[in-house]
Amino acid sequence: DAGVTQSPTHLIKTRGQHVTLRCSPISGHKSVSWYQQVLGQGPQFIFQYYEKEERGRGNFPDRFSARQFPNYSSELNVNALLLGDSALYLCASSSGGTENTEAFFGQGTRLTVV
Amino acid sequence: AQTVTQSQPEMSVQEAETVTLSCTYDTSENNYYLFWYKQPPSRQMILVIRQEAYKQQNATENRFSVNFQKAAKSFSLKISDSQLGDTAMYFCAFMRSSGGSNYKLTFGKGTLLTVNP
Repeated sequence: DAGVTQSPTHLIKTRGQHVTLRCSPISGHKSVSWYQQVLGQGPQFIFQYYEKEERGRGNFPDRFSARQFPNYSSELNVNALLLGDSALYLCASSSGGTENTEAFFGQGTRLTVV
Repeated sequence: AQTVTQSQPEMSVQEAETVTLSCTYDTSENNYYLFWYKQPPSRQMILVIRQEAYKQQNATENRFSVNFQKAAKSFSLKISDSQLGDTAMYFCAFMRSSGGSNYKLTFGKGTLLTVNP
């Protein structure tokens, strides 16, 4: 079975532009979360979606938005890019359910804003 | 809000030896989960071990074990018989128990472990 897949793997954008990052969860997983990992730091939670509804939002500006589609894939959108948005963006999927707490991560999208 | 602190930015160990990575956390929650994730240069975050806060017994996974001290809010990772492939960034993470629909992980800043031949 395929793991969590993210696209693209690398991306270079100019300040002020918009970017869309994509994530396909493991088949059967209904929860997708997004994290931002700045170089040298631990991942920071951005959003979580479960069954296509937003279940959590981290401390990020409104320039960041996300959605989850009926097939449980997800997009993360960032508007008006700043240099500080340069980071590794990680997507994690989970199956959902009371006892299942394991999050499976993709390999991330490396975003560079110039 | 929860915080996770890893006080060792970098550590090194000789192959086949044992190393312990430290993690402390702060929370007012009583039910939660703690994790250690490994991130090699390939960037993919891999779960190493998980501990449920309601379990007193320390979790073990082959060469990896934890020392969970709930009262002290401490959660250290011990790697025995270190291997070159253990070289990676290690992150301690916290997740509160919420019935299965909330998977927010709070990570520490990480410890870079280097295993030397």
